[in-house]
Amino acid sequence: EVQLVESGGGVVRPGGSLRLSCAASGFTFDDYGMTWVRQAPLKGLEWVAGISWNGDTTSYADSVRGRFTISRNNAKNSLYLQMNSLRDEDTALYYCARRNGYPDMWGQGTMVTVSS
Amino acid sequence: EVVLTQSPGTLSLSPGEGAALSCRASQSVISSYLAWHQQKPGQAPRLLIYGASSRATGIPDRFSGSGSGTDFTLTISRLEPEDFAVYYCQQYGTSPYTFGQGTKLEIK
Repeated sequence: EVQLVESGGGVVRPGGSLRLSCAASGFTFDDYGMTWVRQAPLKGLEWVAGISWNGDTTSYADSVRGRFTISRNNAKNSLYLQMNSLRDEDTALYYCARRNGYPDMWGQGTMVTVSS
Repeated sequence: EVVLTQSPGTLSLSPGEGAALSCRASQSVISSYLAWHQQKPGQAPRLLIYGASSRATGIPDRFSGSGSGTDFTLTISRLEPEDFAVYYCQQYGTSPYTFGQGTKLEIK
């Protein structure tokens, strides 16, 4: 069974940092690109970042470029999102998703709250 | 970036009726790289349609997608109670891979 389990969310002050992780199982991790998508409370979905199967190619939404870094460790079947200089507007549920061009499998999300 | 505009914002229908949800792009979506996702309250999104018209694994055939270029439609025939949810379109042809703002399908 394909599983994606996010972790690392929590409460952080504005300007702070947080590192999210996504543990993948049930499929050959390095066959797929991966992506992070977030959802602010009572809002819609926002694509955040994506990474190719080998990590060589990354892309970011304008809202996070220069502050967030997506990475992966294929030996550990894991995806990461390093989030720096966090802002109030980064408060959201962060989903990792397997990318088959399009997101075809989603995790359950980890909540990030940026608040003083 | 490609801006996706979904309409209507909310659609009120009864079980058994048909639904048509629209997604319009600000520029042509490359290779019809357009997906539809369903999200129920408290749950993660679920992929329904990719490539504008291909159903994902396990998706009932009452869900169908159509369109190309800038205009796309998700059609649900014979609504079932479990179909009432929020639906998002997403283009994955041009980074950033943007989502529409969603259409809420509610029971009338």
